[in-house]
Amino acid sequence: KAGVTQTPRYLIKTRGQQVTLSCSPISGHRSVSWYQQTPGQGLQFLFEYFSETQRNKGNFPGRFSGRQFSNSRSEMNVSTLELGDSALYLCASSLAEASGPYEQYFGPGTRLTVT
Amino acid sequence: KQEVTQIPAALSVPEGENLVLNCSFTDSAIYNLQWFRQDPGKGLTSLLLIQSSQREQTSGRLNASLDKSSGRSTLYIAASQPGDSATYLCAAAGFQKLVFGTGTRLLVSP
Repeated sequence: KAGVTQTPRYLIKTRGQQVTLSCSPISGHRSVSWYQQTPGQGLQFLFEYFSETQRNKGNFPGRFSGRQFSNSRSEMNVSTLELGDSALYLCASSLAEASGPYEQYFGPGTRLTVT
Repeated sequence: KQEVTQIPAALSVPEGENLVLNCSFTDSAIYNLQWFRQDPGKGLTSLLLIQSSQREQTSGRLNASLDKSSGRSTLYIAASQPGDSATYLCAAAGFQKLVFGTGTRLLVSP
């Protein structure tokens, strides 16, 4: 079974631009979560989607948004990029249902550099 | 608010040593605790998951324990190898998100 895939793997953007990152979960997984990893803040939770609904959101500004499609694929968007948005963005999928979380499987990440 | 701490931040050992990585969390109301490995510039690889009702899990040379009452988990690596060199992260699972520790960077020298 294929793992979690993320595209693109690397991205360079300029301040003020916007960016869209994509995540395809493991087949059969309906929950997709996004995390931001920076040297200073470590791994921080962005949001989680299940069956096209955002169930939880971390403490990030409204410039960070996401969505999930009917095939469970997810995208996250960052508008008006700032230098501080440079990070590794990780996507994770799991079988999580309404009853609680299951093991999460992470993709390779998208390295975003904002100049 | 859940806070997760990992000690030590870095560890350097010779090949063959047994070692213990520590993880502590402030809120014992967790669903599970997961240990990950991260190689430089890469994503996370899940190593072990311990459900809140369990005390330990084993996979090969790895053994993880969980003590919810004291808010602690340990990852034991037996007979360490150079290929074990990586950053190890623990994460406490709330209902819909993981809260990660800051990681332990492990270097195993031949």
